[in-house]
Amino acid sequence: QVQLVQSGSELKEPGASVKVSCRASGYTFTTYSISWVRQAPGQGLEWMGWINTNSGYPTYVQGFTGRFVFSLDTSVNTAYMQITSLKAEDTALYYCARGRGFCSSSNCYFDLWGQGTLVTASS
Amino acid sequence: DIQMTQSPSTLSASVGDRVTITCRASQSISRWLAWYQQKPGKAPKVLIYEASSLQSGVPSRFSGSGSGTEFTLTISSLQPDDFATYYCQQYNSHSPKLTFGGGTKVEIK
Repeated sequence: QVQLVQSGSELKEPGASVKVSCRASGYTFTTYSISWVRQAPGQGLEWMGWINTNSGYPTYVQGFTGRFVFSLDTSVNTAYMQITSLKAEDTALYYCARGRGFCSSSNCYFDLWGQGTLVTASS
Repeated sequence: DIQMTQSPSTLSASVGDRVTITCRASQSISRWLAWYQQKPGKAPKVLIYEASSLQSGVPSRFSGSGSGTEFTLTISSLQPDDFATYYCQQYNSHSPKLTFGGGTKVEIK
């Protein structure tokens, strides 16, 4: 079955770090890029950037540089998104999504999504 | 960044109604537009890509049209399963950032 399965909800104190996983199955992992999309509570969708699953090279969009880190473990077909120095405003649902097209030139849409991981930053 | 504006933000309709949602881009994006459906507690699901191409497995009552700066998503006969929030997304390579519209919630009238 073609799917992306994300890790479970996380509750962290402000200042801590969190790492969300996204495991792919049912297709060749390195054929498609993986993007990360944030959805704040009751809000819309915001593209955070993407990672090239061949090279492991990440690209972050403005607003998601510095504290956000995308990585891979191709041996287990898994992408990761880490947030360091968590802030209350990082509280959101985070989705991984498979890119179709050329995310390298911001020319892609998303045909497969993980189920989402709720990250809550609260003391 | 290219701004995407959807209208209306909320739409009340009945089963069987023809429903149209509009998405406007702040500059031309050719036909690089996708539409997604999101139900509460679920991930978005792509319905349409390249403005009018129907994603495999999506019912034919969904259709998309438009080019340049104005696009529409039409549901020809609204079904109970279609009550959800719909988002457009531009993916024009001349913009450094993919952006989504603010969403249109389709509610039961």
